[in-house]
Amino acid sequence: EIVLTQSPGTLSLSPGERATLSCRASQSVNSIYLAWYQQKPGQAPRLVIYGASSRATGIPDRFSGSGSGTDFTLTISRLEPEDFAVYYCQQYGSSPLVTFGQGTKLEIK
Amino acid sequence: QVQLQESGPGLVKPSETLSLTCAVSGYSISSGYYWGWIRQPPGKGLEWIGNIYRSGSTYYNPSLKSRVTISVDTSRNQFSLKLSSVTAADTAVYYCAKVGGAAFDLWGQGTVVTVSS
Repeated sequence: EIVLTQSPGTLSLSPGERATLSCRASQSVNSIYLAWYQQKPGQAPRLVIYGASSRATGIPDRFSGSGSGTDFTLTISRLEPEDFAVYYCQQYGSSPLVTFGQGTKLEIK
Repeated sequence: QVQLQESGPGLVKPSETLSLTCAVSGYSISSGYYWGWIRQPPGKGLEWIGNIYRSGSTYYNPSLKSRVTISVDTSRNQFSLKLSSVTAADTAVYYCAKVGGAAFDLWGQGTVVTVSS
């Protein structure tokens, strides 16, 4: 079973700063099967990145994804107030078919 | 545009079966894509429950497989979730979602299900 471990658990930054979120897999993940989601309180998750580095529809270009194998990163270049949320990584294709990381809370410092 | 809407009882008694439906609008399920269910217990992270294709082919989370049934009704353009023998641990927000490529690219708003007597 693939386990995704996200770090840090909580990241405290100010608007305008750069955010770097990590997702580490217990086994190698095909990059095309790695996604990132943003979830705000009381809302459904929203797809941000798919295929490790492709932005979903409507996602601003300050969001970028990178990585391969077991280490993946979501970077937000300059934080806007609306970016503060919980972010989840997710893999698709290995047993079990889908797993999510435990989430990183990005909070305003 | 494609929209998903969950519906079903908000309160289920322990040991009974939780039943939810996801109505899809703006797209015909019979045209393709996988469709899935994900849940989120209060204050916790996301847990995948299972996926289904228009043909009825299903994939389930092994941790829930013995209690889960996901089905599709193409005539009503909807798919459904049944979770049997529920306990308080099944209390969660339940989401339905569309699978695009290898990610859930469109989500319903979610429905809260509480398991309590």
